[in-house]
Amino acid sequence: KAGVTQTPRYLIKTRGQQVTLSCSPISGHRSVSWYQQTPGQGLQFLFEYFSETQRNKGNFPGRFSGRQFSNSRSEMNVSTLELGDSALYLCASSFDTQSGNTIYFGEGSWLTVV
Amino acid sequence: KQEVTQIPAALSVPEGENLVLNCSFTDSAIYNLQWFRQDPGKGLTSLLLIQSSQREQTSGRLNASLDKSSGRSTLYIAASQPGDSATYLCAALRGDRGGSEKLVFGKGMKLTVNP
Repeated sequence: KAGVTQTPRYLIKTRGQQVTLSCSPISGHRSVSWYQQTPGQGLQFLFEYFSETQRNKGNFPGRFSGRQFSNSRSEMNVSTLELGDSALYLCASSFDTQSGNTIYFGEGSWLTVV
Repeated sequence: KQEVTQIPAALSVPEGENLVLNCSFTDSAIYNLQWFRQDPGKGLTSLLLIQSSQREQTSGRLNASLDKSSGRSTLYIAASQPGDSATYLCAALRGDRGGSEKLVFGKGMKLTVNP
């Protein structure tokens, strides 16, 4: 059973550019969440999608956006990149919103903004 | 607002020791608590999940307990090995409006087990 797959694994962007990260959840999982991990702030929740609908959003500026497709694959986009956006972006999937389900993470996408 | 704390931030021990990793949370209205392991440059690997109605879960040398009333969870690692060296994170799952759930993470504890 394939795990959560994130692409690309590593990327370098310049300030002002935009970036799109992709996440394929575990087969059958409909909930996809995104988290940002930095040394200073730790892991912070970005947003969560379920059946193509964004159901929750963390405290991030509007430059951070996402979407989910009918096959549950998800993308997140960051526009007008800033140096502070350099981080590990982690995608997580779970079967549904019921509290009994384990949440599985991908390997993450390392974004460096120069 | 849920806050999750892990103290200490780092721990270095000799191989073979039994370890206790602590996690505290401020809001007892959690759905469950999950422990993760993160190796350098990697994503998170789920270790144990404890439902809010449960007291503990065990997997191999790992045992996690949950005490909602005191806002604490403990991860116990028996007979530690160098391969256990990693950062361990606990996360409380809480519900939000709209039926969504999100994990609130602690900052993690970096464990080093020396041969």
